Amino acid sequence: DQQVKQNSPSLSVQEGRISILNCDYTNSMFDYFLWYKKYPAEGPTFLISISSIKDKNEDGRFTVFLNKSAKHLSLHIVPSQPGDSAVYFCAAGRLNTGFQKLVFGTGTRLLVSP
Amino acid sequence: DAMVIQNPRYQVTQFGKPVTLSCSQTLNHNVMYWYQQKSSQAPKLLFHYYDKDFNNEADTPDNFQSRRPNTSFCFLDIRSPGLGDAAMYLCATSRGLAGGLNTGELFFGEGSRLTVL
Repeated sequence: DQQVKQNSPSLSVQEGRISILNCDYTNSMFDYFLWYKKYPAEGPTFLISISSIKDKNEDGRFTVFLNKSAKHLSLHIVPSQPGDSAVYFCAAGRLNTGFQKLVFGTGTRLLVSP
Repeated sequence: DAMVIQNPRYQVTQFGKPVTLSCSQTLNHNVMYWYQQKSSQAPKLLFHYYDKDFNNEADTPDNFQSRRPNTSFCFLDIRSPGLGDAAMYLCATSRGLAGGLNTGELFFGEGSRLTVL
């Protein structure tokens, strides 16, 4: 039972264009969503998050959109840069607990070509 | 400077030979987690410690154990590794509710890649 799904295993984009990574979830109890970025041979690093009381959160070139009715979120990267090439994991959890039992998706590998 | 440090980065063991992976943190976070990630799969939570309280996930095999002797260190022990235990093991930390603002963010180490021969 995969509660967080990233249906696109890979995405290729040209430098300067927009990258859109998608994520779907099934558990309506999730109230907090995060994106992590992972380079090869490194651990995931936090990128951006959004709580369920918002529908958009922006941080520089990165914007996360949340559509609660569709149980869908997306990460937009504009403009995309070659250094953005990595695996992106979507994660979901609940903030009202003392620990973060995050459920992760399987990741989307983004390749940004010059 | 690395805030969550895992050792070793690469571990090769033989089938059935016990292995210990270590994790240390300089963040003074209340919570420490161990995740298992197999190739092309999502990271899967094995267990976590909230301070000294140990919480095992229901589907974590008994073959996996953990110790947290103090705030800074946490160990993952695999008592009898099988071929199916070959994976990347990720340690992560987070603030608990008592530690101030809970941002929901996990801080990961670089991982320990386990190979079982």
